[in-house]
Amino acid sequence: EDQVTQSPEALRLQEGESSSLNCSYTVSGLRGLFWYRQDPGKGPEFLFTLYSAGEEKEKERLKATLTKKESFLHITAPKPEDSATYLCAVQITSGAGSYQLTFGKGTKLSVIP
Amino acid sequence: GAGVSQTPSNKVTEKGKYVELRCDPISGHTALYWYRQSLGQGPEFLIYFQGTGAADDSGLPNDRFFAVRPEGSVSTLKIQRTERGDSAVYLCASSPLQRTGELFFGEGSRLTVL
Repeated sequence: EDQVTQSPEALRLQEGESSSLNCSYTVSGLRGLFWYRQDPGKGPEFLFTLYSAGEEKEKERLKATLTKKESFLHITAPKPEDSATYLCAVQITSGAGSYQLTFGKGTKLSVIP
Repeated sequence: GAGVSQTPSNKVTEKGKYVELRCDPISGHTALYWYRQSLGQGPEFLIYFQGTGAADDSGLPNDRFFAVRPEGSVSTLKIQRTERGDSAVYLCASSPLQRTGELFFGEGSRLTVL
């Protein structure tokens, strides 16, 4: 069974205090790993796609990396507006379920001014 | 509007009632997905449409749930004989591409079953 586990469940940072969020996964065959941001009362907003181990993607203060077992979302010098829940999701390569995303429970990030 | 539109944004109903939730995807997006998100959980897949047909409905929890997309655009998720356990936020997403994880989500319809 495909599984996605995110840690920590919640993270409080001071503004400017860099850190990383973890997403570990177990799948039969990985087609892609996706990071989303979700603000309260809103739908998830797409951030990154990673396809293969060693791949990295960057956007402003965020950088996503991928290994064969996990992905990290690094947040450099965060600002209060980075506060949100960050969701990780995987898509498998083929067969039943290959159209679906399997999401983790998310990490709720709070950045304190 | 440019984004995925979902109505109603909030729906309160009584146990046993019938409910319809509507999704208007981004114009030109052929792929449409329904997900369900309970409090403190990540979204859970329900059904995927490519055009008018349901390509994957394996996430529908039971036969009380049904979804249609008759003209390949607007979709309706229908829930019969609602139960308290159906309470959740129902999210719709669309994409111009098939079999992609890069989805555009709406803000969701929050369903509360009393």
